[in-house]
Amino acid sequence: GQQVMQIPQYQHVQEGEDFTTYCNSSTTLSNIQWYKQRPGGHPVFLIQLVKSGEVKKQKRLTFQFGEAKKNSSLHITATQTTDVGTYFCAGPQGAQKLVFGQGTRLTINP
Amino acid sequence: DVKVTQSSRYLVKRTGEKVFLECVQDMDHENMFWYRQDPGLGLRLIYFSYDVKMKEKGDIPEGYSVSREKKERFSLILESASTNQTSMYLCASRPGTSGLYEQYFGPGTRLTVT
Repeated sequence: GQQVMQIPQYQHVQEGEDFTTYCNSSTTLSNIQWYKQRPGGHPVFLIQLVKSGEVKKQKRLTFQFGEAKKNSSLHITATQTTDVGTYFCAGPQGAQKLVFGQGTRLTINP
Repeated sequence: DVKVTQSSRYLVKRTGEKVFLECVQDMDHENMFWYRQDPGLGLRLIYFSYDVKMKEKGDIPEGYSVSREKKERFSLILESASTNQTSMYLCASRPGTSGLYEQYFGPGTRLTVT
């Protein structure tokens, strides 16, 4: 079945350093969603990308959707302690289901 | 704001017990989902429902069943709890069927089976 792979599984950075997580799908995706889960919390929707090659920004966060719509990335510039958490990508499977990547857990040394 | 609530944040049950996890959403969403979250495995779909009394198996339905008698409520049932069902269980809802809609998650229930 469809798989969504996410790397790295863990990333530890110094505050102020950049961070990137990558998401790769075994099949072409119609869209991709990104979620953030704070420690002890639940996943919260960040953004959705739909178009091939799309780039969207939310303050220090930059989201990209690959030209072939099989990969995506989330880049955080100059990380802050508030960025700590696990970031998930998710792509649709069929008409109704969502397949999540394994997540990238970001920890930050202040 | 959409609110998804789950009946318990923490639950401890014994092997063989029947366990009910309740989820309620207050935004009249059509779709509801149950996931389990385990370290390194992300979120895996157990069951979902796209309408009252309608349900479909997700990727890991074995050992679980669900019930959706009312639109706002989606219950996950562990017929006979086992230790390998110790996990974080997350409920989610979504306004419609399309994968273009975002999912709204509840706070989660951390279940320990001893």
